[in-house]
Amino acid sequence: AQSVAQPEDQVNVAEGNPLTVKCTYSVSGNPYLFWYVQYPNRGLQFLLKYITGDNLVKGSYGFEAEFNKSQTSFHLKKPSALVSDSALYFCAVRDAAFNTDKLIFGTGTRLQVFP
Amino acid sequence: NAGVTQTPKFQVLKTGQSMTLQCAQDMNHEYMSWYRQDPGMGLRLIHYSVGAGITDQGEVPNGYNVSRSTTEDFPLRLLSAAPSQTSVYFCASSYSRSAEQFFGPGTRLTVL
Repeated sequence: AQSVAQPEDQVNVAEGNPLTVKCTYSVSGNPYLFWYVQYPNRGLQFLLKYITGDNLVKGSYGFEAEFNKSQTSFHLKKPSALVSDSALYFCAVRDAAFNTDKLIFGTGTRLQVFP
Repeated sequence: NAGVTQTPKFQVLKTGQSMTLQCAQDMNHEYMSWYRQDPGMGLRLIHYSVGAGITDQGEVPNGYNVSRSTTEDFPLRLLSAAPSQTSVYFCASSYSRSAEQFFGPGTRLTVL
């Protein structure tokens, strides 16, 4: 069965510093990987995805993520954090094999960027 | 283009009552899903559909029913509400298995 782990409930970073939000996954085949962001009292917004190809994926609002197959990780990164990046971030995985269509989410990581 | 719409936005039920959460999308997406969001639990998949007439169970399907008679609509039914079903419910849709999901604004449900 597929699964996603976000090992940090909260990440604190000062504005202007680089940030990393961690995600590891488990699937039987190749993964489709996604990052979403949720601002307070809002639905989820898509940030970026990895389907195939280049391991470094660039997305919205200056975010990027690196797919590492050997470590089964897909960490979200940004070179310079903004206070407005403070939100709840979710990693999600779908097994690319056609035996399942489920998209499974992690438990989320709250990012707090301090001025 | 309204995207994914959900009604109602808020609902309070008594234990044992039934209700249907509505979800509609106007993007002609084949894939639709229902999630519940609880503090510390992230989003958990309840049911999903890969096209009209095709539905399947997710991680936490007990107590919920779904049907998909049209591409546009994917209602979620609570047959006998329980306090454990107090949560925020999100509907989502996507064009394909590798495409990103579009989420609705959510329904906040309280079961007393």
